Amino acid sequence: AQSVTQPDIHITVSEGASLELRCNYSYGATPYLFWYVQSPGQGLQLLLKYFSGDTLVQGIKGFEAEFKRSQSSFNLRKPSVHWSDAAEYFCAVGVPNFGNEKLTFGTGTRLTIIP
Amino acid sequence: GAVVSQHPSWVICKSGTSVKIECRSLDFQATTMFWYRQFPKQSLMLMATSNEGSKATYEQGVEKDKFLINHASLTLSTLTVTSAHPEDSSFYICSARVVQRLARSKWTQYFGPGTRLLVL
Repeated sequence: AQSVTQPDIHITVSEGASLELRCNYSYGATPYLFWYVQSPGQGLQLLLKYFSGDTLVQGIKGFEAEFKRSQSSFNLRKPSVHWSDAAEYFCAVGVPNFGNEKLTFGTGTRLTIIP
Repeated sequence: GAVVSQHPSWVICKSGTSVKIECRSLDFQATTMFWYRQFPKQSLMLMATSNEGSKATYEQGVEKDKFLINHASLTLSTLTVTSAHPEDSSFYICSARVVQRLARSKWTQYFGPGTRLLVL
């Protein structure tokens, strides 16, 4: 079965600094890959997704992620964070299954922004 | 973008009572809806998957008689927690999937804002 690892439980960055959140997956082939963001007490908002094609994916709010097959990774990046980016970030994978895919989520990375 | 709503956003109930949570896709028809449970500071755990007009498929370890799911239409799914107990207190999140019209293998899953359940 597939699994997702987000190695960093908590990351703190200064406002305006760059950000990279790590995500590694375990699966024999290329899964579908997603990043979601969850603000306190809220549901999840889709930041970006990868199914195939260009391995550099652009998302909303200035985020991007790069799929690296050789490293089984799908790291999320942002060149300059804003205080409003403070939230919990979840990486998720879906194993291709003819439309019957289920998402498996990582344990999340909590992002704190300091002035 | 697509919006998924949940109602109520929070509920407090007495042990032994049943609670119904509604999930609606407001501006799209969902091919599939999902129900997740999230414990404090933890990830989402898939409870069940449901397709309109079909019985829900429950994940291993999830009691189907405890968590009743009804998927009445392409825009509405309900989760009923029957005979709720304090250990059922949690954050329940529904999700709705929409498939791309010309590429059915590609889809997007949208999440509701969640329902916080507290059983006393």
